Amino acid sequence: GESVGLHLPTLSVQEGDNSIINCAYSNSASDYFIWYKQESGKGPQFIIDIRSNMDKRQGQRVTVLLNKTVKHLSLQIAATQPGDSAVYFCAESISNFGNEKLTFGTGTRLTIIP
Amino acid sequence: GAVVSQHPSRVICKSGTSVKIECRSLDFQATTMFWYRQFPKQSLMLMATSNEGSKATYEQGVEKDKFLINHASLTLSTLTVTSAHPEDSSFYICSASGPGTGENIQYFGAGTRLSVL
Repeated sequence: GESVGLHLPTLSVQEGDNSIINCAYSNSASDYFIWYKQESGKGPQFIIDIRSNMDKRQGQRVTVLLNKTVKHLSLQIAATQPGDSAVYFCAESISNFGNEKLTFGTGTRLTIIP
Repeated sequence: GAVVSQHPSRVICKSGTSVKIECRSLDFQATTMFWYRQFPKQSLMLMATSNEGSKATYEQGVEKDKFLINHASLTLSTLTVTSAHPEDSSFYICSASGPGTGENIQYFGAGTRLSVL
């Protein structure tokens, strides 16, 4: 899961298993959340988003869960594949008419073991 | 859709020179562009937010005279690192959002790795 500081949390999962990446966000006023995937040497790639009026949203092989009570966000990846190996960041923002600034979490490095 | 192109992908320069990085939205109008800096194994730190035709808004601690940002059109923003020094070496990433990107999601370029000798 996520943690404060310079050390990047890591998670290793066997190929085909499900993975859960956790994120604790900081601002109770945040109402929009995004998960990004970043492969080495590349920019972040959008995975899935969720607004604060929802507690769950599903995409293709991915599910995001939001618990506003404890300010916790998670990303579930089903049936992991080698291509899922990357660093995953959660990001939070406050709606601001299109000028939403994102605050990124520290990231979690996911490694899929063949 | 929602493709952001960033150029160059890598640049090596001598200390004291200036470097310009371009960020283009290829298939949508980017009313807002963002510039981030990322150190190895760390998260993205927002440097500044720019809206087309307006001056950029810089985050606290980011020198506006050091990192010049221009957002002259709805598809192009540039970041110029002036008088670069070794401590400016980093991975710089831009993102863009606009009315057509859905929920104002930020889409990112591939990043520019700057190495100052």
